[in-house]
Amino acid sequence: QVQLVQSGAEVKKPGASVKVSCKASGYTFTNYYMHWVRQAPGQGLEWMAIINPSGGRSEYTQKFQGRVTLTRDTSTSTVYMELSSLRSEDTAVYYCVRKNGMDVWGQGTTVTVS
Amino acid sequence: QAVVTQEPSLTVSPGGTVTLTCGSSTGAVTSANYPYWFQQKPGQAPRTLIYDTSIKHSWTPARFSGSLLGGKAALTLSGAQPEDEAEYYCLLSYSGARPVFGGGTKLTVL
Repeated sequence: QVQLVQSGAEVKKPGASVKVSCKASGYTFTNYYMHWVRQAPGQGLEWMAIINPSGGRSEYTQKFQGRVTLTRDTSTSTVYMELSSLRSEDTAVYYCVRKNGMDVWGQGTTVTVS
Repeated sequence: QAVVTQEPSLTVSPGGTVTLTCGSSTGAVTSANYPYWFQQKPGQAPRTLIYDTSIKHSWTPARFSGSLLGGKAALTLSGAQPEDEAEYYCLLSYSGARPVFGGGTKLTVL
């Protein structure tokens, strides 16, 4: 079945970087763009970025421009989201979501900055 | 960046009907904003109910429907069930800009 499996929880110091992975299975990886969405504790959803796994081109919301980088490895059907210069406000659950009516969500990765 | 607005909270009686709306600071919401609706229950990842204004996924209960209403995107729940109590978010896309989520509506079934 189609699923997205994300890497485990991370605890980082302010100023550090974090790299979250999202491994896709059950479908042709390069056929669907992948969104990244985050949710701070007790807060709403926030759209961050999107990547085309086929060509690797990505787009970012202005808020994260320069701090977030999306990459992909087609050999392992994995998308990576790296967020740098972490601050306490980046503490959140990060989700990858397949762009097919946003039909499949990863289980989420908790990133704690403290 | 556009601001997307939703009712902070709504209450519906079991079996009743309620409409959640999603507005945009840029003007009327249209099909070109490709509205999405998501349901999130405590401790769970969001689940997508509706995309492209009114298209349902296979798991979307028939009692949920999406539309455009009075310049906003709308999610109508007809025949509310206790299990529909959740937070609901909308997402709007913008030409030349990035998608934006609304702040969410906490729906109580009481």
